[in-house]
Amino acid sequence: SYELTQPPSVSVSPGQTASITCSGDKLDDKYAYWYQQKSGQSPVLVIYQDTKRPSGIPERFSGSNSGNTATLTISGTQAMDEADYYCQAWDSSTAVFGGGTKLTVL
Amino acid sequence: QVQLQESGPGLVKPSETLSLTCTISGDSINSNNYYWGWLRQPPGKGLEWIGAIYYTGRTHYNPSLNSRVTISRDTSKNQFSLKLTSVSDSETAVYYCARLGYGGNLNWFAPWGQGTLVTVSS
Repeated sequence: SYELTQPPSVSVSPGQTASITCSGDKLDDKYAYWYQQKSGQSPVLVIYQDTKRPSGIPERFSGSNSGNTATLTISGTQAMDEADYYCQAWDSSTAVFGGGTKLTVL
Repeated sequence: QVQLQESGPGLVKPSETLSLTCTISGDSINSNNYYWGWLRQPPGKGLEWIGAIYYTGRTHYNPSLNSRVTISRDTSKNQFSLKLTSVSDSETAVYYCARLGYGGNLNWFAPWGQGTLVTVSS
């Protein structure tokens, strides 16, 4: 079965750029999606189809997908961005999620 | 504004059937632009997709759960439901329903319901 791998944790200082990676075999043959989940809340879509931002998502969130790795980038990270982030892709009509990355804003 | 709300028992005994319903407001389950899906998250762990249903009744299920899962819809009530048979303690989780974008291909999950905690315990 298809697997997506994320680092368990990433730390960033306020105002700096955070990058969260998601690795999977030939991932760029698929679309990558990213969800933000703050403590005690439901997940929220922040990036879809590799690079697109839903309405209401700040411009500091961006995404890319090349080769085996998709990346979520948060520019000018703010304290409110501290959350768990999950990548997701489709493999033969099956949704696959990465294990999640806890972003800490120090 | 689309909203989804999960409902159902918060406690299920091992080996029994878990049943949940998701009520949709602000959109129609009969839209051809969306599937409607179920996902879950064990306490302190990551997300797992369970399955999804289209307005035609077509379903897709996670292969790891396929033999135990049934997702159905009630168009008159604008609801869809999940049944998971023979549950075990390890299936204690927050269960979410979510709208799933569809444009010929399956896309994003948005929005999500608030989630409902189902505990599997005797």
